[in-house]
Amino acid sequence: EPEVTQTPSHQVTQMGQEVILRCVPISNHLYFYWYRQILGQKVEFLVSFYNNEISEKSEIFDDQFSVERPDGSNFTLKIRSTKLEDSAMYFCASSGTEDYNEQFFGPGTRLTVL
Amino acid sequence: QQPVQSPQAVILREGEDAVINCSSSKALYSVHWYRQKHGEAPVFLMILLKGGEQKGHEKISASFNEKKQQSSLYLTASQLSYSGTYFCGTWNRDDKIIFGKGTRLHILP
Repeated sequence: EPEVTQTPSHQVTQMGQEVILRCVPISNHLYFYWYRQILGQKVEFLVSFYNNEISEKSEIFDDQFSVERPDGSNFTLKIRSTKLEDSAMYFCASSGTEDYNEQFFGPGTRLTVL
Repeated sequence: QQPVQSPQAVILREGEDAVINCSSSKALYSVHWYRQKHGEAPVFLMILLKGGEQKGHEKISASFNEKKQQSSLYLTASQLSYSGTYFCGTWNRDDKIIFGKGTRLHILP
C-alpha cells in the first residue's frame, strides 16, 4: 500500500540553525501539505502546495519557512533560522486529485530546537 | 476560525457508544474527520461534503448539518482500538482546512 514517508524521524538542532525536513508523498498525488503539532496540542496547517507553487499558507508560515519540490518526488520544508518555539512534530501529507480531499499523513519528523 | 469540538475527552467501556461534535461559526463546504493515536500520525476517517450526507465506516459514522454548520461523529459498540484523539477539520473553499483541538477518547476493557 502506498504511503507518505518522512525523514529524518527525529532532528535535533541548535537555535538559529537551518533545518530541512524531507517528505516523499504518494507518487500519483498532486497536492502536498505541511502541518505542525506542538506536543499535546492540535494539528496546525502550515502550507499547501500544488503545481509547483504554494496555494495556501498560514500565519505560522512566515519568511523563515520555505517549501520546495526539487525533483518531482521529494517535498521539503526548510526552516532558515530555527527558534525554540519551532520544536514540534512536523507532518507532511498528500492528497490525490482534489485539494483537501482525503489526506494521507506521513509518520512525522520530531524537531527539537535547543 | 477554528472549529469547536465537544466533549474535550471521553472515557468509555468497551462496547459503549460515543458521539463527538464539531461546530463552526463559518459556512462549511466539507468536514474531515481524523483519528490520531499517541505518537502516531493522524489517520483519515472520512469526509462529509455539503449536502447533509451521512457516511459510515464499519462502526464509525458521521453526519453533517450544513445549516447548523455542525458535524457529529458516531462511534458505536466501541472497541479498544478506537482509543485516540479525534480531530475534525473544516473547510469552506475560501481558506485552508482548519483542525479543532481534538477530542481524546479512551476505551477501557
